[in-house]
Amino acid sequence: GESVGLHLPTLSVQEGDNSIINCAYSNSASDYFIWYKQESGKGPQFIIDIRSNMDKRQGQRVTVLLNKTVKHLSLQIAATQPGDSAVYFCAEKNTDKLIFGTGTRLQVFP
Amino acid sequence: NAGVMQNPRHLVRRRGQEARLRCSPMKGHSHVYWYRQLPEEGLKFMVYLQKENIIDESGMPKERFSAEFPKEGPSILRIQQVVRGDSAAYFCASSPPTDRADTQYFGPGTRLTVL
Repeated sequence: GESVGLHLPTLSVQEGDNSIINCAYSNSASDYFIWYKQESGKGPQFIIDIRSNMDKRQGQRVTVLLNKTVKHLSLQIAATQPGDSAVYFCAEKNTDKLIFGTGTRLQVFP
Repeated sequence: NAGVMQNPRHLVRRRGQEARLRCSPMKGHSHVYWYRQLPEEGLKFMVYLQKENIIDESGMPKERFSAEFPKEGPSILRIQQVVRGDSAAYFCASSPPTDRADTQYFGPGTRLTVL
């Protein structure tokens, strides 16, 4: 079946380092992907998106990379800050709905 | 510009009672989606609605659950005769009425606890 999954459930990084969060998807027909950040007790917050006709997209301190050959998605956060601590989800657009992975918890330590 | 609004933020019900969750989409958005999240898990799609229409309810349990998005007022997710397994966070998202309304913006969620 269709699924979106993550390789690492928890990622610990030192403040100032770069973070890389990975995601694998299984539906090769998917053409739109989103990364969300979810802080404790809050709803998912949109970070960045990418369409399948692109392989890279940059935002402020964040970059999303898409490798359609191996169906892999990654989120790179530059100069990670304590405020980046949260659970990060990738989501795949399937017709009208989003299919979410289980999430990666990012912990930033000083 | 207010984001997606959900209320109540927390809801406690006893087994057998009814739960009604409300969602007001972002201004100008006419597409509403409901998702359910269990602790330490990702969000699971339940239903997609446009004004007065259910477009996709493939993720909605066949019994006890219903959703509506009337012409006026918020979208409502209704759970009848709640059971402990219904305890979860329920999130609403909205998107604008464009041809490719891909990006969904989420509300803060309603945390339902069934005693």
